[in-house]
Amino acid sequence: EAGVTQFPSHSVIEKGQTVTLRCDPISGHDNLYWYRRVMGKEIKFLLHFVKESKQDESGMPNNRFLAERTGGTYSTLKVQPAELEDSGVYFCASRGPPGYEQYFGPGTRLTVT
Amino acid sequence: QKEVEQNSGPLSVPEGAIASLNCTYSDRGSQSFFWYRQYSGKSPELIMSIYSNGDKEDGRFTAQLNKASQYVSLLIRDSQPSDSATYLCAVNKAGGGNKLTFGTGTQLKVEL
Repeated sequence: EAGVTQFPSHSVIEKGQTVTLRCDPISGHDNLYWYRRVMGKEIKFLLHFVKESKQDESGMPNNRFLAERTGGTYSTLKVQPAELEDSGVYFCASRGPPGYEQYFGPGTRLTVT
Repeated sequence: QKEVEQNSGPLSVPEGAIASLNCTYSDRGSQSFFWYRQYSGKSPELIMSIYSNGDKEDGRFTAQLNKASQYVSLLIRDSQPSDSATYLCAVNKAGGGNKLTFGTGTQLKVEL
């Protein structure tokens, strides 16, 4: 069974530019989560999809972040325009029935210069 | 006070010893508890989950949960150099769609 995949693995962009991160969850997993780890801090929740619906987006920092999950399969997280403080590692995780365990992807390291 | 607290370490143990990693959490309504292992530059890897008070064993790993004390621990028996990593404690608070709240992690070093 393939795990959670994320693309790209690294992205370096300038302040003000736009970046789109992609996550492909484990096949059959309805629940998809985005998390972020900034330097020296703990991993923090951003948002949660159940299929194509946003269940909880309480962790999204501001309206420069837009997440979508069209068709309930892969998800994208767009940052527009990027700011320096957006730098960090963005993780995606998926969870399927029946358990509570979340499985993480390899992450996308975003550097905003 | 952080919602999930871990000692950042590093915790150094000799090869073959028992490593004990501890985590406390603040939300008394928390329901599910997880230990992830993260090697440098890699993704968090789920190694243990525990949902009820007591011990849960899986190979060399034992998770212990005490909800009254709001405390969860991970024991690694017969520690190996390959166990050297950062161990993340994650808690699923009540009524939250299973979003995880993480501690900052404890760095474990197993020395030859």
